[in-house]
Amino acid sequence: QVQLQESGPGLVKPSQTLSLTCTVSGGSISSGGYYWSWIRQHPGKGLEWIGYIYYSGSTYYNPSLKSRVTISVDTSKNQFSLKLSSVTAADTAVYYCARVRATVPLYFDYWGQGTLVTVSS
Amino acid sequence: EIVLTQSPGTLSLSPGERATLSCRASQSVSSSYLAWYQQKPGQAPRLLIYGASSRATGIPDRFSGSGSGTDFTLTISRLEPEDFAVYYCQQYGSSSWTFGQGTKVEIK
Repeated sequence: QVQLQESGPGLVKPSQTLSLTCTVSGGSISSGGYYWSWIRQHPGKGLEWIGYIYYSGSTYYNPSLKSRVTISVDTSKNQFSLKLSSVTAADTAVYYCARVRATVPLYFDYWGQGTLVTVSS
Repeated sequence: EIVLTQSPGTLSLSPGERATLSCRASQSVSSSYLAWYQQKPGQAPRLLIYGASSRATGIPDRFSGSGSGTDFTLTISRLEPEDFAVYYCQQYGSSSWTFGQGTKVEIK
């Protein structure tokens, strides 16, 4: 059974960089076949896809966030990470990591429990 | 970007009743790329339906999905107490994923 777990600071100051890590267990990122994604949910709102990374390091980001997002992978630790720069209060959200099949159909089959990140001074 | 609009925003029903949730896309979506998720308070979304009509592993057969093109439907044939939650549709297109704004199914 694949499990994903987010970790990182729950409070970030405005203009700083939000950094989160997702640790994968029960499956290997380097085995391929899946994109490893970040998704966020603003309080009481819907879901917004942020971006994904493949085990090879190739990435794709939501165009609306692309200028501020970096996703990286560490296959030796079976982890992938999110960095979101120049944060504002609008980036306050629950951040989820999730796995998505890299072949049709493309759906998110495993999710982390989510971690709330608050942007405030 | 394809926008998904879900309706209604809130559905008030009693256990045992049938729930019909709608997801309309701003442009045609391949059925292969349409999925539905259930989210309960404080939990991550759970995959229910993929490929518009295929149930995910372990999902009861009271959940069914249908539709094509721009109109998709999630039906819960008889609501169980554990089905009261928020439901999201999701599509994939142009290397990006988007979600609908959600439909809340609440106890009447």
